[in-house]
Amino acid sequence: RKEVEQDPGPFNVPEGATVAFNCTYSNSASQSFFWYRQDCRKEPKLLMSVYSSGNEDGRFTAQLNRASQYISLLIRDSKLSDSATYLCVVNGIDSNYQLIWGAGTKLIIKP
Amino acid sequence: NAGVTQTPKFRVLKTGQSMTLLCAQDMNHEYMYWYRQDPGMGLRLIHYSVGEGTTAKGEVPDGYNVSRLKKQNFLLGLESAAPSQTSVYFCASTLRRDLPEQYFGPGTRLTVT
Repeated sequence: RKEVEQDPGPFNVPEGATVAFNCTYSNSASQSFFWYRQDCRKEPKLLMSVYSSGNEDGRFTAQLNRASQYISLLIRDSKLSDSATYLCVVNGIDSNYQLIWGAGTKLIIKP
Repeated sequence: NAGVTQTPKFRVLKTGQSMTLLCAQDMNHEYMYWYRQDPGMGLRLIHYSVGEGTTAKGEVPDGYNVSRLKKQNFLLGLESAAPSQTSVYFCASTLRRDLPEQYFGPGTRLTVT
């Protein structure tokens, strides 16, 4: 089993719709969780951290479910510019805080 | 600030050739990382450095060597390239290991034939 698993998609979503995807992680001792965004043939960039209480940044909401070991990302009122691959990232439990990366979920917003 | 830069952006090697990828950052970050990204897989850590003069192995270090002689530079070497090393290589840096944000370079697309 992979340490961090994501549905690869693609999720094809009309502009203005709401879309959500999950990511599951295998190590219950993981402490930190993040969503990164990666545009086609570009480098990953941090989208948001995921806190135990959930957090929101504009149209984006991230939530953590420790009992079921998954994190989610919800995008409301989706824009064409939201088309990208969303990478789920979990910190490793070793002392050097190495990050464990999911393979990503591809999102395509259609006009 | 240029952030994190990588050279070259593209390279084609023949099996058995060697090359060095250069990563440079101007943010005075202590931690630097080399990842490879392959289709259908998450980023995998090759080697990392927690400060000038230090290096450590990541998840997939075989076939690669690294050096961090200066704080701002982190070099990744391929001693004898193999087709399995065809990949996109990303360098990243962060100020502190407990900070969530890693800053990435634009990547190097390497093909080994």
